[in-house]
Amino acid sequence: TAGITQAPTSQILAAGRSMTLRCTQDMRHNAMYWYRQDLGLGLRLIHYSNTAGTTGKGEVPDGYSVSRANTDDFPLTLASAVPSQTSVYFCASRGDSSYNEQFFGPGTRLTVL
Amino acid sequence: GENVEQHPSTLSVQEGDSAVIKCTYSDSASNYFPWYKQELGKRPQLIIDIRSNVGEKKDQRIAVTLNKTAKHFSLHITETQPEDSAVYFCAASKALNRDDKIIFGKGTRLHILP
Repeated sequence: TAGITQAPTSQILAAGRSMTLRCTQDMRHNAMYWYRQDLGLGLRLIHYSNTAGTTGKGEVPDGYSVSRANTDDFPLTLASAVPSQTSVYFCASRGDSSYNEQFFGPGTRLTVL
Repeated sequence: GENVEQHPSTLSVQEGDSAVIKCTYSDSASNYFPWYKQELGKRPQLIIDIRSNVGEKKDQRIAVTLNKTAKHFSLHITETQPEDSAVYFCAASKALNRDDKIIFGKGTRLHILP
């Protein structure tokens, strides 16, 4: 079982360009999340989706958008990248039952120059 | 909303000694407290969790304690080993609310000294 995958593994992006980070899970989890991880700031929630067709804003949503067309995929788009979006991005998913573990993808390291 | 504070941000202990990481939370309705370990260059992974109906849980060398009254919980690692070196995150959520999100602390970087 693949679990949860992300692509690309890493990317260098010129400021002002757009970029979509991909996230796919095969666990049929309804809830999915995008976090960014920066040194000293922990894991900050960008956007989330509790089920296909719905999305919500997290702690740091500005400059990012998401869509959830189906259960498996939850792409994160940067419409016009800025250097402050340089970070490691983690996608995660969680099952429906109470107290379910949240699983993380392997991460995407993004550098915006 | 929920706020989780984690201390210390960095912790160095001698191999074989114990390590303790402490967290506080703000929302008294939170009832699920997972701990994640993130090794260098890897993804965070769940190592242990505790529910609000228990005060302590152990799994080999790691244990978690919860004080609901004071709204704080702790991770204890005994007989530390080099492979315990990692960043540890505490978190809190209202598990019975499907739409609730897990809120993470800012992490503790644990160094095990030889």
